[in-house]
Amino acid sequence: DGGITQSPKYLFRKEGQNVTLSCEQNLNHDAMYWYRQDPGQGLRLIYYSQIVNDFQKGDIAEGYSVSREKKESFPLTVTSAQKNPTAFYLCASSRQRMNTGELFFGEGSRLTVL
Amino acid sequence: GQQVMQIPQYQHVQEGEDFTTYCNSSTTLSNIQWYKQRPGGHPVFLIQLVKSGEVKKQKRLTFQFGEAKKNSSLHITATQTTDVGTYFCAGSGGYQKVTFGTGTKLQVIP
Repeated sequence: DGGITQSPKYLFRKEGQNVTLSCEQNLNHDAMYWYRQDPGQGLRLIYYSQIVNDFQKGDIAEGYSVSREKKESFPLTVTSAQKNPTAFYLCASSRQRMNTGELFFGEGSRLTVL
Repeated sequence: GQQVMQIPQYQHVQEGEDFTTYCNSSTTLSNIQWYKQRPGGHPVFLIQLVKSGEVKKQKRLTFQFGEAKKNSSLHITATQTTDVGTYFCAGSGGYQKVTFGTGTKLQVIP
């Protein structure tokens, strides 16, 4: 079955540590995205990539980094510079540019900083 | 920047009652999408509206896009317990990023 796989589902981190969240898709989509969701909040865009080896900052990119070396993969690193990293992280992909096509989401990764 | 407001934030309804959530953008949108997120789950695409004044129906769900393309609504007729979740609108203004609303959390009381 085609879809988006995020791992790990749950992750605990100590302050000052970097963590990397994995996102893999087998939908052959060009565009991929990372969103952050806080309780009672909407989804805020962290980074997006519309093509391999290229990505753009979203609304809340500070303290995060990404790479897009393969079409299928778009990992997100939450660095120690992110002041409040505890959140639910969602990876998504779309067939087209993000403003014209539906977004397909993974099941999310829940990060807790201890 | 583009802002998308959604009201109400929460709504509790008796099973069988109707439900409506409203979405308002600070700028004109080229399209609007609606997503549903079940408790503990991830957002799932419901529909996309593109044309001014467009109305689309999916069984008990009716979606509208305003004439000025700055607002939208989702109406559920005769709610069921399976409708529980948070409904998000997501708007785009042409080549700009998609901006999600804050969502409306729907609770259905059996």
